[in-house]
Amino acid sequence: SYELTQPPSVSVSPGQTARITCSGDALPKQYAYWYQQKPGQAPVLVIYKDSERPSGIPERFSGSSSGTTVTLTISGVQAEDEADYYCQSADSSGTFVVFGGGTKLTVL
Amino acid sequence: QVQLQESGPGLVKPSGTLSLTCAVSGGSISSSNWWSWVRQPPGKGLEWIGEIYHSGSTNYNPSLKSRVTISVDKSKNQFSLKLSSVTAADTAVYYCADIVVVPAAMLHYFDYWGQGTLVTVSS
Repeated sequence: SYELTQPPSVSVSPGQTARITCSGDALPKQYAYWYQQKPGQAPVLVIYKDSERPSGIPERFSGSSSGTTVTLTISGVQAEDEADYYCQSADSSGTFVVFGGGTKLTVL
Repeated sequence: QVQLQESGPGLVKPSGTLSLTCAVSGGSISSSNWWSWVRQPPGKGLEWIGEIYHSGSTNYNPSLKSRVTISVDKSKNQFSLKLSSVTAADTAVYYCADIVVVPAAMLHYFDYWGQGTLVTVSS
């Protein structure tokens, strides 16, 4: 079955830049999406179509894509950005949804 | 803005069937979007269960397909999930969500989510 691979954890100090990667063989064929999830809450879409930002999402959130890897970048990390982040895409046919395992962002 | 609310039993016995309903408000279930279920075991990641279009077309996670049925009730503006032969491994927070699906444009992502409901499988 198709999988997306994320690092389990990333730690940064406030004001620094956090980068979270997501790798999958079908990423060159399918867009990637990023969700932020805080404890006890539903996920929130922060990046769609690899690099587009939904309205209401701060400009410090950005996304990029290169081959089989997509990256979520959070510039000038703030304490409120501490959360779990999940990448999501579809298999090469576009039929089945798949999530990465999630990355816990810790703001030191 | 679409709002979704899950409802159903919070406790299901092993080997039984888990049944949940998602009520849609602020929009029509017959819109252009699909409707989906996602679950999250305690302390673990997100798992897509499946999705349905108002026409009744469905896509299911291959790992759960043999046990899952998702249906839609347009008259009540809601959709439902049934998961059969449950075990403790099916204990999770279950979310319903509005999902944008446009294969030609490679779009397949979750727009609005319900708050989630915890379902525990235990005797």
